[in-house]
Amino acid sequence: AQKITQTQPGMFVQEKEAVTLDCTYDTSDPSYGLFWYKQPSSGEMIFLIYQGSYDQQNATEGRYSLNFQKARKSANLVISASQLGDSAMYFCAMSLRGEKLTFGTGTRLTIIP
Amino acid sequence: EAGVVQSPRYKIIEKKQPVAFWCNPISGHNTLYWYLQNLGQGPELLIRYENEEAVDDSQLPKDRFSAERLKGVDSTLKIQPAELGDSAVYLCASSFSGAHYNEQFFGPGTRLTVL
Repeated sequence: AQKITQTQPGMFVQEKEAVTLDCTYDTSDPSYGLFWYKQPSSGEMIFLIYQGSYDQQNATEGRYSLNFQKARKSANLVISASQLGDSAMYFCAMSLRGEKLTFGTGTRLTIIP
Repeated sequence: EAGVVQSPRYKIIEKKQPVAFWCNPISGHNTLYWYLQNLGQGPELLIRYENEEAVDDSQLPKDRFSAERLKGVDSTLKIQPAELGDSAVYLCASSFSGAHYNEQFFGPGTRLTVL
């Protein structure tokens, strides 16, 4: 069975600073995908970034990058130059063979002006 | 391109009453998911459809929950009768199984309150 662990229930970060959100995962399947989603207070889940288990390079999407350390089974999200609009819940998730997503418990990020 | 549409956005009912949620996925997406999100938790899968077929309903409480996806497009999730513990957000998502990494697109959710 797969499992996602997010150990930071909440984080406060000064505007314009970089922030790292932690995520570790557990699976015995060699083929998997790792996702990060943002959930603002309005409730919708917004896709941010994806990393495949066989991808050699860390994924990047604009201000988002994924620090993928396969041996440590970690997939931390890095947000550079944080903005007030980044305040939201952030979920790490894993998918096996393109099937259901298994989510962590999330991290509530608050950006301080 | 329109996103995943869900209705209603909010629903308040008394316990033991029935309730239904509707989802219209992104056009062309053959896979549809219903997730349950309790307060302070990540979403958990209830059921996954590939076209009209429910391929994973192992987490669906079948004594009170039912779902259908007629013609492989829209889907309805029903609870009958509702219990206090069913208060949560019900999220619908869709994806195209032929996509590179099967990214799931989520709707805004239906927030259910059972009194």
